[in-house]
Amino acid sequence: SQTIHQWPATLVQPVGSPLSLECTVEGTSNPNLYWYRQAAGRGLQLLFYSVGIGQISSEVPQNLSASRPQDRQFILSSKKLLLSDSGFYLCAWSVWTGGFGEQYFGPGTRLTVT
Amino acid sequence: DQQVKQNSPSLSVQEGRISILNCDYTNSMFDYFLWYKKYPAEGPTFLISISSIKDKNEDGRFTVFLNKSAKHLSLHIVPSQPGDSAVYFCAASTGANSKLTFGKGITLSVRP
Repeated sequence: SQTIHQWPATLVQPVGSPLSLECTVEGTSNPNLYWYRQAAGRGLQLLFYSVGIGQISSEVPQNLSASRPQDRQFILSSKKLLLSDSGFYLCAWSVWTGGFGEQYFGPGTRLTVT
Repeated sequence: DQQVKQNSPSLSVQEGRISILNCDYTNSMFDYFLWYKKYPAEGPTFLISISSIKDKNEDGRFTVFLNKSAKHLSLHIVPSQPGDSAVYFCAASTGANSKLTFGKGITLSVRP
């Protein structure tokens, strides 16, 4: 069965510090990978998605970036965090099954920028 | 421009009764719709989906109805249970392998 891991679970970082969140998927090959953010009182905002190694599409201009160094690894980064980067970050995966592919989410990382 | 709208932020229902969660969309290209359930501090979990070629899909206590002409879908939970208390997100896509557009979610509270 497929499993998706995210770490860390919680993170408190000062403004201006760097960020690295990691997501890995097990039990599947060549998944589509996604990073979402849920800010307080808001819905899920798609930040980045990737259909393959090194292929990243950005949905929202911001000071965040994403990378996919391996097939089942997705990393969300920032060089300098802003207060507005606080939120709940979710990684998700999906696969092409010839029909429609639901997305499956990881447990999330709660980021607080102070 | 919000393409998937969940206009009611919250809903409170008595245990055993029906919960009806509504969702509207504006993009006529959407052809696949999903509902996700989310508990605090956890990732959303997939609940049920429906393709635009159908108008109803049922899975146990959960039924999703799609009205394409009205660009409206709803999730019915019967009977509602306290464990159903969570945030429910409606999502839509324009086809396989594509991105999901989520609504803002609705908080369902089921009172014992």
